[in-house]
Amino acid sequence: NAGVTQTPKFQVLKTGQSMTLQCAQDMNHEYMSWYRQDPGMGLRLIHYSVGAGITDQGEVPNGYNVSRSTTEDFPLRLLSAAPSQTSVYFCASSYSRRTSEKLFFGSGTQLSVL
Amino acid sequence: QQQVKQSPQSLIVQKGGISIINCAYENTAFDYFPWYQQFPGKGPALLIAIRPDVSEKKEGRFTISFNKSAKQFSLHIMDSQPGDSATYFCAASNTTPGGYQKVTFGTGTKLQVIP
Repeated sequence: NAGVTQTPKFQVLKTGQSMTLQCAQDMNHEYMSWYRQDPGMGLRLIHYSVGAGITDQGEVPNGYNVSRSTTEDFPLRLLSAAPSQTSVYFCASSYSRRTSEKLFFGSGTQLSVL
Repeated sequence: QQQVKQSPQSLIVQKGGISIINCAYENTAFDYFPWYQQFPGKGPALLIAIRPDVSEKKEGRFTISFNKSAKQFSLHIMDSQPGDSATYFCAASNTTPGGYQKVTFGTGTKLQVIP
């Protein structure tokens, strides 16, 4: 099993550009989420989904959009990139919303916004 | 507002020694306390977890100690090895009205085990 796959691994954007971070899981997990990791701040939840067609905001949702059209995919869109969005982004999934504390993480996307 | 406070920020331990990482929480609704281990260039991975109805959980060289009255929990790594060098995150979760488990992470501890 591939688990949780994130692409790309690295990305450099200019301020104002938009892009989509891809996340796919092959474990038939119901729950999927996006986190950003910044030095000294741990992991902060951006958006999450408890199933296809159902998404909701986490702690730091501003500047990001998500959608969940299939169980497998949960892309994260940056609408107009800002330097404050420079971070490492992790997608994570869990079997169900009731076990969403037991997260399986992808290997991350390192994003730099210039 | 940091709901889960983790210390120290970094830790250097000699091979064979005991590594201790501490966490404290404020929200008494938290009902699950996992620890995640992250190697450079990788995503975090669930290492060990505890529920508040027990005071200790041991898996191999890794032990969680939990003090419900003090709202503190800690990770002990016995006989620390260079392969344990990683960043460790404590976390705490609670059930939301929507029925999912919301996970709040600590800020992480970078552990280096030197030969």
